[in-house]
Amino acid sequence: QVQLQESGPGLVKPSETLSLTCAVSGYSISSGYYWGWIRQPPGKGLEWIGNIYHSGTTYYNPSLKSRVTISVDTSTNHFSLNLNSVTAADTAVYYCARVWSSGSYAVYFEYWGQGTLVTVSS
Amino acid sequence: QSALTQPASVSGSPGQSITISCTGTSSDVGSYNLVSWYQQHPGKAPKLMIYECSKRPSGVSNRFSGSKSGNTASLTISGLQAEDEADYYCCSYAGSNTVAFGGGTKVTVL
Repeated sequence: QVQLQESGPGLVKPSETLSLTCAVSGYSISSGYYWGWIRQPPGKGLEWIGNIYHSGTTYYNPSLKSRVTISVDTSTNHFSLNLNSVTAADTAVYYCARVWSSGSYAVYFEYWGQGTLVTVSS
Repeated sequence: QSALTQPASVSGSPGQSITISCTGTSSDVGSYNLVSWYQQHPGKAPKLMIYECSKRPSGVSNRFSGSKSGNTASLTISGLQAEDEADYYCCSYAGSNTVAFGGGTKVTVL
């Protein structure tokens, strides 16, 4: 059974960098699939942040692209999210997920982590 | 890339059918049969309910069905049950290897 678990600081100061890691168990990242990050501000809807392939190929939400970096470490079977220059608007529950592709389109989030709340505040 | 448009809320009585709409554009929903739907209960992670507009993953009840016409996708829940009360989000491929979510619809079982 594929399981994902997010980890990282729950509180980040404005203008600093938000860094989260997603540990994957039950499946080897190097075997394939895209892996993604999605966030949800409190009381609001879902927002796609970006996807990464096991080879390191990345795709980002254009609205966040200038501030986001997603990376993968196949040796430890985890992938990571860095979001710089954060503001209060980045306060959200951050989810990691395995992304299932339809043909060459990585679009379906089939396995999700439980999510981790990150608050941006001084 | 813009968010897809969903009604804020939909309600129905047990046993009834309800339909949630998801309106996009010719750049996303209208151009690709790559719409998915997610169910989210409070405090929980979303769950994939429909993919490729109308297909159900293994284990998802056949009371959930999806369709698409033009720039609008729809999710229908038939035989509404108390456990169906949740938030529902549509999602579509939006070109250039990006995806977009809808704003979400709160389903209330009366």
